Amino acid sequence: GNSVTQMEGPVTLSEEAFLTINCTYTATGYPSLFWYVQYPGEGLQLLLKATKADDKGSNKGFEATYRKETTSFHLEKGSVQVSDSAVYFCALTRYGGATNKLIFGTGTLLAVQP
Amino acid sequence: DAGVTQSPTHLIKTRGQQVTLRCSPKSGHDTVSWYQQALGQGPQFIFQYYEEEERQRGNFPDRFSGHQFPNYSSELNVNALLLGDSALYLCASSLGRDSGNTIYFGEGSWLTVV
Repeated sequence: GNSVTQMEGPVTLSEEAFLTINCTYTATGYPSLFWYVQYPGEGLQLLLKATKADDKGSNKGFEATYRKETTSFHLEKGSVQVSDSAVYFCALTRYGGATNKLIFGTGTLLAVQP
Repeated sequence: DAGVTQSPTHLIKTRGQQVTLRCSPKSGHDTVSWYQQALGQGPQFIFQYYEEEERQRGNFPDRFSGHQFPNYSSELNVNALLLGDSALYLCASSLGRDSGNTIYFGEGSWLTVV
């Protein structure tokens, strides 16, 4: 079946450090891939997305590239800030499905220290 | 432009009771999905509504039901509440059901069952 696997958290970084959160997926066909962010006590916000192989999604200094050969969509940011502390979810929607339901990973907690 | 709005934001119910949660999709969106997010977990798909019909259901019992109105707003009903139904319930909307469409989430309704 379709699934998403994320690296275990929490990830603790100092401000201005480089961030990578790994995400790999299993899916039939050509899924669309998403990163959502959830700040404490809030709902989910779309961070970025990519809908086909080799696409790069980017937003607010974050970026991720859709790698079909490695079935990965790793999230990166060159210099994190304290305000980036949140839970990050990788997700996919299956191409050609009856709906665009999202399948999420378990989330990765990022804590950025000053 | 109002995003996805949900009500109520917090509620406490007793085991065996029934609850109704409400959602207004982002302006112009016609597709509404509901997700359950237990503490420390990723969101799980409950069901999706399009053209006032349930189009797909996740692995949830019949105690979970929903409705979509002609103005695209939606309700989630849960009967015979169990302690395990305590979670954040998220509503999401999109324009259509294509896998690459951007999906927006509301802030969620926090349900506590005691």
